Amino acid sequence: EVQLVESGGGLVKPGESLRLSCTGSGFSFGDYEMSWVRQAPGKGLEWVGFIRTKASGGTTEYSASVKGRTSISRDDSKNTAYLQVNNLKIEDTALYYCTRLGWFGAEIWGQGTLVTVSS
Amino acid sequence: EIVLTQSPATLSLSPGERATVSCRASQSVTSYVAWFQQKPGQAPRLLIYDGSKRATGIPARFSGSGSGTDFTLTIDSLEPEDFALYFCHHRNNWPPELTFGGGTKIDIK
Repeated sequence: EVQLVESGGGLVKPGESLRLSCTGSGFSFGDYEMSWVRQAPGKGLEWVGFIRTKASGGTTEYSASVKGRTSISRDDSKNTAYLQVNNLKIEDTALYYCTRLGWFGAEIWGQGTLVTVSS
Repeated sequence: EIVLTQSPATLSLSPGERATVSCRASQSVTSYVAWFQQKPGQAPRLLIYDGSKRATGIPARFSGSGSGTDFTLTIDSLEPEDFALYFCHHRNNWPPELTFGGGTKIDIK
């Protein structure tokens, strides 16, 4: 079964940093682009960024709203993608989803991990 | 940035009725729209991709249509398990970005 499991969420204070992990199983992880999408309470889905495969250079793209504070990386030997968010703000409070990207978009989703930013 | 606008925000229907959800793109996205179903506490599930292609295991009562800027998700004869949130989605190649519709909640009338 194809599955994505996110971890690393929790309660953090404004200004702190957090690294989320996404571990995939049931597919050849290194062959796929991986993306992060978040959903703030009561809001719609917002794309955070994605990382290409190593074969495509492993480069990253980010949404304008998080660019400069966010970094996505991957360790294909561990079937894991990471999302690092620095200088967290109240408005970063959200459920963070990891997705596997197909050519048309986010085809497989994890259950999400909740990040709460509060003093 | 491409914006996807869904309507209506909420649809109140009875089991057995047909549901029609609209997704409008701010500029042409050819046929590259996907549809997802999401239930509380669950990961979104892919229903339709490339505008009209059903994903593996998706019942035939779910169908997608449209191209350019206007897309529709239709659910023929709603089953009890179909009452959920639905959203549309597009991946743009340049600039590279993912966008999502605001969602349509189908609830029981």
